[in-house]
Amino acid sequence: SYELTQPPSVSLSPGQTARIPCSGDALPKRYASWYQKKPGQAPLLLIYKNNERPSGIPERFSGSRLGTAVTLTISGLQAEDEADYYCQSTDSSETVVFGGGTKLTVL
Amino acid sequence: EVQLVQSGAEVKKPGESLKISCKGSGYSFTNYWIGWVRQMPGKGLEWLGIINPGDSDTRYSPSLQGQVTISADKSINTAYLHWSSLKASDTAMYYCARRGYSESDGLDSWGQGTLVTVSS
Repeated sequence: SYELTQPPSVSLSPGQTARIPCSGDALPKRYASWYQKKPGQAPLLLIYKNNERPSGIPERFSGSRLGTAVTLTISGLQAEDEADYYCQSTDSSETVVFGGGTKLTVL
Repeated sequence: EVQLVQSGAEVKKPGESLKISCKGSGYSFTNYWIGWVRQMPGKGLEWLGIINPGDSDTRYSPSLQGQVTISADKSINTAYLHWSSLKASDTAMYYCARRGYSESDGLDSWGQGTLVTVSS
């Protein structure tokens, strides 16, 4: 089955820039989305179509794609950005697939 | 305002049946697919499947097909997730989510989650 691979964790300091990668063989042909998940809250869509931001999402959050990887970039890290981040795409049969998630710690 | 409101937490015994719900409001319910996602304790997000409330066309995750049933009643703007015989391993938080207009638009609105606990 199709897989999306993310690093389990990233730790950075406030003000720094976080870059969270997600790799998958089909990403050159399939769009990716990114979600923020905080404990006790529902996931929040941050990025869709690789680099589009829904209304209300700060410009600090951006997405990009290069080859078989997409990257979520969070600039000017704040304490409130501490969360789990998931990439998501679809396989050839349009079945939704999530990455394993990356825990972002803001020290 | 788009809202998805899910039914409340459930505590069940193995072998029991369960149906949880997700009611949409603030948009045309039949124009957007509704998906279901679970998060088992300490684990990541996992896709269960998706339904088109307009015609009940349903697609399941291949790894989970047969374990749950997804349905919808468009007359009351509600989607459902149903188990005929629960197992302890079904213990998880379950979320419904609205898929954007196309599959590339992501899951743009989410319910608050329904915690399902299965224990003898």
